[in-house]
Amino acid sequence: NAGVTQTPKFQVLKTGQSMTLQCAQDMNHEYMSWYRQDPGMGLRLIHYSVGAGITDQGEVPNGYNVSRSTTEDFPLRLLSAAPSQTSVYFCASRPGGGTEAFFGQGTRLTVV
Amino acid sequence: ELKVEQNPLFLSMQEGKNYTIYCNYSTTSDRLYWYRQDPGKSLESLFVLLSNGAVKQEGRLMASLDTKARLSTLHITAAVHDLSATYFCAVDRSGTNAGKSTFGDGTTLTVKP
Repeated sequence: NAGVTQTPKFQVLKTGQSMTLQCAQDMNHEYMSWYRQDPGMGLRLIHYSVGAGITDQGEVPNGYNVSRSTTEDFPLRLLSAAPSQTSVYFCASRPGGGTEAFFGQGTRLTVV
Repeated sequence: ELKVEQNPLFLSMQEGKNYTIYCNYSTTSDRLYWYRQDPGKSLESLFVLLSNGAVKQEGRLMASLDTKARLSTLHITAAVHDLSATYFCAVDRSGTNAGKSTFGDGTTLTVKP
């Protein structure tokens, strides 16, 4: 049982490049979310999903896209990377509302 | 907009001492979570609190929830070095936004010998 798997673990991008951060979970959880964590700060919600085919914006959605075609996968796309998107990105899943979230190991992204 | 505030943000304490971390939130919710994060690591769940007056305990940590005061506390009893970490509270929105969790900024705890 792998839990929540994020790839890659580290990534360096040049300004303007695009890329996709992958997130997969094998726990059949309905809810999945993407957060970013900046130094000394809490987690800010980028996008979330309450089931396959359903996504919604969080607090800081600009510059990011998501889709949820399957229960297992929730990729995060950076459309045109900017230095302000340098951060650690966490994907999380949980069975539903009122349940604990399980986090992936994070992706450390640097945009130069 | 739901705001979650933790205090203190930094806490340095001696082994054996007791202390409490506070988590205040701005709108009605009865779903609150505590997580722990070690440096450079991911987050792991500590407690899930789902009703007014809920109390959960695990080892030297005890969490409680007062939904009327919109306040949760994480109490540390007789701290040990292994408890050094950053602790986050998170609150679910209610209603149609129930999939959204808002996190506090975290409390970085350092336990010294």
